[in-house]
Amino acid sequence: KAGVTQTPRYLIKTRGQQVTLSCSPISGHRSVSWYQQTPGQGLQFLFEYFSETQRNKGNFPGRFSGRQFSNSRSEMNVSTLELGDSALYLCASSFGAHEETQYFGPGTRLLVL
Amino acid sequence: GEDVEQSLFLSVREGDSSVINCTYTDSSSTYLYWYKQEPGAGLQLLTYIFSNMDMKQDQRLTVLLNKKDKHLSLRIADTQTGDSAIYFCAESIRGSQGNLIFGKGTKLSVKP
Repeated sequence: KAGVTQTPRYLIKTRGQQVTLSCSPISGHRSVSWYQQTPGQGLQFLFEYFSETQRNKGNFPGRFSGRQFSNSRSEMNVSTLELGDSALYLCASSFGAHEETQYFGPGTRLLVL
Repeated sequence: GEDVEQSLFLSVREGDSSVINCTYTDSSSTYLYWYKQEPGAGLQLLTYIFSNMDMKQDQRLTVLLNKKDKHLSLRIADTQTGDSAIYFCAESIRGSQGNLIFGKGTKLSVKP
């Protein structure tokens, strides 16, 4: 069974631009969570989607948004990029009915110049 | 509140056992996890333990959970150079779907 895939793997943007990252979960998984990983703050939860609905949200500004499609694929968008948004963005999938084990993708490394 | 703490570094010799420790604060944890991250990679799930268990063994990995002290440990037997990585402890909280609370990670260095 294929694992979680994320595209693109690397991205360079400039301040003020916007970016969209994509995540395809493991087949059969309906929950997708997004995390931001930085050296200073570590791993921080952004949001979680299940059956196209956002069920949970972390403490990030409204510039960070996401959505999930009917095939469980998910995208996250960051608008008006800031230097501090440079990070590794990780997506994780699970079956999703309860607090199940999450399986992570390889991440998208975003550099904001 | 929710907080997970780990020591930042651990150095061992190849063939020795490694023990990585973690403490957590939320008593409504349901599952506790250990993930491994190699340079430039995502997180690899190593093992997990349900909060009402005391111990779980999986090949070279042994997880011990002390619920009273909210202490979790990961023992890696016969540590190899390929085990060098950052190890993250994480907890899931009842009712907080999709949100794992992670520690800062323990960097394990294995010397030949």
